[in-house]
Amino acid sequence: NAGVTQTPKFRVLKTGQSMTLLCAQDMNHEYMYWYRQDPGMGLRLIHYSVGEGTTAKGEVPDGYNVSRLKKQNFLLGLESAAPSQTSVYFCASGTGTQPQHFGDGTRLSIL
Amino acid sequence: DQQVKQNSPSLSVQEGRISILNCDYTNSMFDYFLWYKKYPAEGPTFLISISSIKDKNEDGRFTVFLNKSAKHLSLHIVPSQPGDSAVYFCAARDTGANSKLTFGKGITLSVRP
Repeated sequence: NAGVTQTPKFRVLKTGQSMTLLCAQDMNHEYMYWYRQDPGMGLRLIHYSVGEGTTAKGEVPDGYNVSRLKKQNFLLGLESAAPSQTSVYFCASGTGTQPQHFGDGTRLSIL
Repeated sequence: DQQVKQNSPSLSVQEGRISILNCDYTNSMFDYFLWYKKYPAEGPTFLISISSIKDKNEDGRFTVFLNKSAKHLSLHIVPSQPGDSAVYFCAARDTGANSKLTFGKGITLSVRP
């Protein structure tokens, strides 16, 4: 029972490079979320999706794009990475009424 | 503007004693509150929750209290164990907000053997 799986677990990028973080869930959840966690800041919502083919902006969406082409996958893209995007990224999924389930995170460093 | 506040960044407690973690909120539209626990290098895991129509919810050693008039909730852990040492996040859900959660900054609990 995998739950929420995030890949990769670690990545180092140079400023200006692009990359995609993948989140996969096997619980048939409609809702999926991307958060970032920075020291002393808690978890902040970047983008979220309420179903396949839908996306919406969260609290800190600038510099990120997302796609939800399949119900089980939620992709987070950085088109041109900046040092300010160095963070730990968490994906979560949920039913909308029950607590969200989180993945173990992707630690991203941008030099 | 921080809508969920955990004003104490850390708490240290002796094993066997009670741990009390506090959380304050400002948004009156929050209808559901949760506590998540996070160990290093892992994702947050759900611990306990409470609906705004209740003032207490208990699950084993963990009890959450909600005071709506004061916009305050607290997590009590009794008795505290060394394995409880982790970061605890308070989170709140806005009615009709697509189940989005607003998180506090977290509090690091250390339980001394």
